[in-house]
Amino acid sequence: EAQVTQNPRYLITVTGKKLTVTCSQNMNHEYMSWYRQDPGLGLRQIYYSMNVEVTDKGDVPEGYKVSRKEKRNFPLILESPSPNQTSLYFCASSPSGLSRQETQYFGPGTRLLVL
Amino acid sequence: DQQVKQNSPSLSVQEGRISILNCDYTNSMFDYFLWYKKYPAEGPTFLISISSIKDKNEDGRFTVFLNKSAKHLSLHIVPSQPGDSAVYFCAASRGLNAGNNRKLIWGLGTSLAVNP
Repeated sequence: EAQVTQNPRYLITVTGKKLTVTCSQNMNHEYMSWYRQDPGLGLRQIYYSMNVEVTDKGDVPEGYKVSRKEKRNFPLILESPSPNQTSLYFCASSPSGLSRQETQYFGPGTRLLVL
Repeated sequence: DQQVKQNSPSLSVQEGRISILNCDYTNSMFDYFLWYKKYPAEGPTFLISISSIKDKNEDGRFTVFLNKSAKHLSLHIVPSQPGDSAVYFCAASRGLNAGNNRKLIWGLGTSLAVNP
């Protein structure tokens, strides 16, 4: 089954404790992206990757890191989480990220609470 | 500043009737528009899209209308079914920017409830 998986689905942590949210897709997609969803702000892009070893900032990259060592995986790293990073996070992928007609496939989301 | 606006946070309709979800945008550079549906505890899933060169696209019970002069699009669901109850997001794309990132700009969503 074609899918995007994220782990963990739910996470409660404390300020400053490094964490990683994993994202994996099995569709051989080149493009992957991370979004956060917040009330009143909608989905905003954090980082994206056009291919292996090619990553770039989205609209709200502060406090986040990503890596793309393999095509299927795109982990989101919070080196020192803060309460303002409490949010619902979505990973998405699409074949190339270049065509306007491409559909982005989303993971189920990771709900993060930073105390 | 919200470039894609869904002014109705919620909508309730009877099963079998038409659901109309509205979306307004401010950026005339947007050239492609999409609707995504989201169920609780799941990620958004693609529903239907429309290019700015068209004014209508239909897929089964779902039709999207685009009025470029008014910078307005709408999603019609006919007939509505209880399984359509979800949050519907409107999203817009303005083509490739300097980073070759076909980024989507999202509305805040409209929660649709279809009552049996």
